[in-house]
Amino acid sequence: SQQGEEDPQALSIQEGENATMNCSYKTSINNLQWYRQNSGRGLVHLILIRSNEREKHSGRLRVTLDTSKKSSSLLITASRAADTASYFCAAGSKLTFGKGITLSVRP
Amino acid sequence: DTAVSQTPKYLVTQMGNDKSIKCEQNLGHDTMYWYKQDSKKFLKIMFSYNNKELIINETVPNRFSPKSPDKAHLNLHINSLELGDSAVYFCASSQGGGRVNSPLHFGNGTRLTVT
Repeated sequence: SQQGEEDPQALSIQEGENATMNCSYKTSINNLQWYRQNSGRGLVHLILIRSNEREKHSGRLRVTLDTSKKSSSLLITASRAADTASYFCAAGSKLTFGKGITLSVRP
Repeated sequence: DTAVSQTPKYLVTQMGNDKSIKCEQNLGHDTMYWYKQDSKKFLKIMFSYNNKELIINETVPNRFSPKSPDKAHLNLHINSLELGDSAVYFCASSQGGGRVNSPLHFGNGTRLTVT
């Protein structure tokens, strides 16, 4: 069964705005991971949040995890055109990915 | 460069053919994976090997056979290719002794087109 399901499927914002992306999962997890995929490239690991953590920061990225709701969010602050990519969450023992969120940041 | 590299980048072939995709990682990781990404970007795990041993084998047709000659290599052989096999195949590696909880390092993918 699919673990990581992202929402929304597509997001278009202006440079400088914040982008919030959500992820839901189904079963208990040890951690949840967010990845980024530029067009025509492989996925790049962004951040890992453990099940006993509620929030984690990395540069302009902020990830939250709510295990009671089985959900996570990825916030990119002060977005840049270079942030344009697809973003995936992954969770579960087999690290199942969703379809990803296509983020477009307009200059 | 330290990386996960897979070849070829593009593969166009006809139905019924047999083809292989190669993957190598020089990160010193002990676990390697094959993922399939379909046209809707849905990324699904196919196989995982830890120190040359198969540890994850999802519901994948028998036509797909992974081969790991050593822990730095995981090749994917596909027999009797079908139209539905067209996708982008990603190789990945991680540390962690086979538990899929460590961050994955992905190759840049092999776009397979079956005509």
